[in-house]
Amino acid sequence: KAGVTQTPRYLIKTRGQQVTLSCSPISGHRSVSWYQQTPGQGLQFLFEYFSETQRNKGNFPGRFSGRQFSNSRSEMNVSTLELGDSALYLCASSLDGQGGNSPLHFGNGTRLTVT
Amino acid sequence: GQQVMQIPQYQHVQEGEDFTTYCNSSTTLSNIQWYKQRPGGHPVFLIQLVKSGEVKKQKRLTFQFGEAKKNSSLHITATQTTDVGTYFCVSGGSNYKLTFGKGTLLTVNP
Repeated sequence: KAGVTQTPRYLIKTRGQQVTLSCSPISGHRSVSWYQQTPGQGLQFLFEYFSETQRNKGNFPGRFSGRQFSNSRSEMNVSTLELGDSALYLCASSLDGQGGNSPLHFGNGTRLTVT
Repeated sequence: GQQVMQIPQYQHVQEGEDFTTYCNSSTTLSNIQWYKQRPGGHPVFLIQLVKSGEVKKQKRLTFQFGEAKKNSSLHITATQTTDVGTYFCVSGGSNYKLTFGKGTLLTVNP
C-alpha cells in the first residue's frame, strides 16, 4: 500500500506570493490533516478534512486555507506569504481522523522557504 | 483548551543508558498515541494506549498510561544510536481534536 504522498518536497517563494501544497492520502483513508512544524513551535495543527468537509481548524490566520476532493486528496494554500511561514508542512492521513483511534500516517512533508 | 505538557524538551544520554519522556495533562485523556520523528524525517506512529493503567512493550520501549488517564510515559531501556529522534505524545480528545506534546529530542552519544 502506497504511503502518504506530498508534493512538492521543496519550495522557495518570496514574500507576498501564494503557494499550494498537495497531499495524497493512503488509499481508503478519509481524513487528511495538515501541520506546520518549526524548530521553535514544534508541530502545530492547521486543519483537518474528513469526507471533503473541514472538521477542525487550528489557530492560524485566514491566509491558510485548504480543501479536500472527492478522492480524499487534499490541498492547502497559503496566500500573501510572510517570512515566518517558512516551515516544514506535514500532512497526515487516517481512517477516522482526529479523535478517533486510528493512527496518523504522515507524509514526508513540504519544506517551504520564504525569502 | 486541552493541553499536554511533555518533558523533558531535550535529553542527551550515553549509549546504553535508559531514557524516559513524560506527557502530562490536567484533564482526562481519551487515548494517547506516541510517535517518533528521526532527524530530517516525518513522525512515525509507535503505539496507542487507551485503557487506564495500560502498559505496552515494544522490544526495549515501554509505554504506560496513568491510572487516571492524565499522564503517559515512554521508557527506552539501554538506548542505541538508532533511538535518536524526537518523541511526541498525541492525545485524543473530544470534538475530533488532537493535542500534540512539544516533543522530547533524544540524542545518544555512542
